[in-house]
This record gives sequence, C-alpha cells and structure tokens, in this order.
Amino acid sequence: QKEVEQDPGPLSVPEGAIVSLNCTYSNSAFQYFMWYRQYSRKGPELLMYTYSSGNKEDGRFTAQVDKSSKYISLFIRDSQPSDSATYLCAMSSMDSNYQLIWGAGTKLIIKP
Amino acid sequence: DAGVTQSPTHLIKTRGQHVTLRCSPISGHKSVSWYQQVLGQGPQFIFQYYEKEERGRGNFPDRFSARQFPNYSSELNVNALLLGDSALYLCASSTGATFQETQYFGPGTRLLVL
Repeated sequence: QKEVEQDPGPLSVPEGAIVSLNCTYSNSAFQYFMWYRQYSRKGPELLMYTYSSGNKEDGRFTAQVDKSSKYISLFIRDSQPSDSATYLCAMSSMDSNYQLIWGAGTKLIIKP
Repeated sequence: DAGVTQSPTHLIKTRGQHVTLRCSPISGHKSVSWYQQVLGQGPQFIFQYYEKEERGRGNFPDRFSARQFPNYSSELNVNALLLGDSALYLCASSTGATFQETQYFGPGTRLLVL
C-alpha cells in the first residue's frame, strides 16, 4: 500500500463547476500538507500549503485537512479551462526530515 | 526574476550510457533537490543539497549521484542507464535546508533511455 493514495482520473467537469480533489494517507505523523498544480511538460507549482488540520482558503481554492480520517481535499470554485492540469498532493513530517511524499496526481479537465 | 532553470530540456540515451543533468536555482536559494517523475506517478525524491553538502538521499541506487557547486547550481549524474530510468527529472530550489521551506520547481529534463 502506498503512503499517499490519489485517484489518477481523469476528472472532467464543465466550466464553472466546483471541483473536489482528494488524497488519503496512511502515516499519522504527517503534519504538512501541500497541493501542487502541474501543467503538461512543466514542473509542479505550489498552490496551497496547510499545517495540521483545518481549512485554508486562497481565492478560488480551498484546502481541507482531516487528520482523524487521514484525508485531505482541494476545492476549486468557478472552475476555468485554465485550471486543466494535473493536481498533486504532497505531505511531510518531522520524522522524515520533512521529505515530501507525493500522490500520483489527478488529471483535471475543465470543459468550456 | 528567473525561476529554476534546467538543461537540457530533452535527452535520448541508450542503455549503459551515462548522463549529466544540470540545474540553476533561483537567485538567493541555497538548497537544491532532485526528483524523478515517471509518467503517471508523483515525483520521487532523489537528493537534497544545501550549501554544497548532501542533506538527504532517497531510495535510489548508487548509479545516481549529485553535487552542488559554490554558485549553488547542481548536477545530477546517472551511470549505467537502464530503460527504467526514463522519466522527467525535476530540480527544485528553496531558501533553507529543510523541506519546510517552499520548493520551487524547474520545468524538468525529460530523459528517454532506449
């Protein structure tokens, strides 16, 4: 079993819809949770960074962490075709010297 | 400001050959990390260097090596290439030594081993 599980998709939604992307994990020591966006043939770009449990909002993006369920989510409101990309979750803990452990990424397609 | 740059962008090699990949971090960043991203998977950590010293190593064979230069640029070397080494190799830079620091990724070098 992988430490971080993420549905590879693709997830296809119409423009303007609310998108929900999720990751589950097995290591309860994870404290830092990140969402990266990766466009085709580009490197990952940090979108959201959350410490421990709770919600964090940045514009159209909201990140949620539920440590009791070992489950994190990224919500995208008013989705745009430019949001079409692969979204990767990553997490780390002090135990592993904060080395990032990544999900496989979910490919998101926003249809105009 | 320039972001993280990597060269070359694409590379084709044959099994058994050696390859050197290069990375220039964002100005002022002293840490460079290398990742391997196989198609359809998330990045896998290979090395981290800070102030020219190795600070972390992932679960990769000794065929993989790296170094960081006084100007904080870095090279990743892979010897005796295998077909399974075909991947996107990503370099990320950050200001500090720990992974708590935000990492900024370059566009990657796409390596194909035939």
